[in-house]
Formats: sequence, structure tokens, C-alpha cells
Amino acid sequence: QKEVEQNSGPLSVPEGAIASLNCTYSDRGSQSFFWYRQYSGKSPELIMSIYSNGDKEDGRFTAQLNKASQYVSLLIRDSQPSDSATYLCAVTEAGTALIFGKGTTLSVSS
Amino acid sequence: DGGITQSPKYLFRKEGQNVTLSCEQNLNHDAMYWYRQDPGQGLRLIYYSQIVNDFQKGDIAEGYSVSREKKESFPLTVTSAQKNPTAFYLCASSIGRDQPQHFGDGTRLSIL
Repeated sequence: QKEVEQNSGPLSVPEGAIASLNCTYSDRGSQSFFWYRQYSGKSPELIMSIYSNGDKEDGRFTAQLNKASQYVSLLIRDSQPSDSATYLCAVTEAGTALIFGKGTTLSVSS
Repeated sequence: DGGITQSPKYLFRKEGQNVTLSCEQNLNHDAMYWYRQDPGQGLRLIYYSQIVNDFQKGDIAEGYSVSREKKESFPLTVTSAQKNPTAFYLCASSIGRDQPQHFGDGTRLSIL
């Protein structure tokens, strides 16, 4: 059974700090990696996609991928209270659909 | 606006009853998916379809059925065989299997 592992948290950071969210995956064949944000009671919203090793930046968000270590991370700079949510890591599995981690809950205090 | 529409937003099921959750998309996406989310849990795949008239079971297909007669529509039926149906059901679509998935607003199903 392919797995995607995330620390459940909660991860608590003060406003303006950098939040670092981590994810490991078991399928070495995975090619596509995604980060979703899910507010309480709402559906997941795609915030980042990354397909090759290295960093990808989009505004305050940076996704980092290391396929050799089977590790993907999401950095949120200048964290805001509105960033408080659960962040889901999703990884493609060859032959099927995405596999989602259980998510990390982020709490940003003002 | 392009998007994914799920209905109803809330649904209640009586014992022994089958209920159908609707999912419609106007994004011209080929692939569609159904997930179940329980409190504090991640998303678990129920069924997915990559093309019209074809679909595959996910990790927790027992007690559920689907159809894909049109590209835009992928309804999910929760049958009476699903003994613990209370959950948040999410429909998603993507251009292709390895592409980002976009979600509808979800349907909350409860037992009466």
C-alpha cells in the first residue's frame, strides 16, 4: 500500500513567521506532487504543484521536492492568521489516482 | 464560471435507503473522482473515471456505485450496503490522471 505521511500537528507559528510543512511518500515512481489547503468545513483548494526536483515559488508559498529522499515540503513566508488551515500533501501513484496524506493543521497566531 | 457543482450540500439517509450524490463539471475534464473524508482524516478514494463509460474502484468502493454516461457527470450512489455512510463526500476532476485535481464544495451525508 503506497503511503503519504504528514505530521498531523497542530503546527503553531506566530504571525509573520515562516511555516514549514513536510511530507514523505513511499512510491519511488511518483511524478507529480501537490499541496492543497483545506479550511474547516470546506473542500480542498489547490495551492501548489511541483513536478521536478528543486524549489518552486508562488507568492508567499514555496514548494520543495527531493525525489531521492522521497520528500516534499511547503514553506509559507510571512504567515498570516488567514493561513490557518489543514494542508494536504498529494502524490500521484502509477496507474491510479492521487494519494493524499492526512494533512497537517497549521495555526497562525496574531 | 467553470467549476464543479455538487448537490445537495446536505443529505440525510434512512436505514435501508439508497441515496445519490450529484457531481457535474463544465471544465471539459476527462477524469473525475469521488472521495470520502471522515473527521480528522485524509481523503480516501471511492471511485474514479478517466473516460466516459469507464470507471475503476478506489480503496473503499464497497457499498458505493457510480456511472459515467456523460463527460460532465459522475453521480455516486451510496447503497444500503454501506453501513457507515456518515461522512463528507468530495467530487473532483482533472484534465488527466497525473494532473491537479479540482474539487467541488462537497456533500455532507448523515444517517437519520
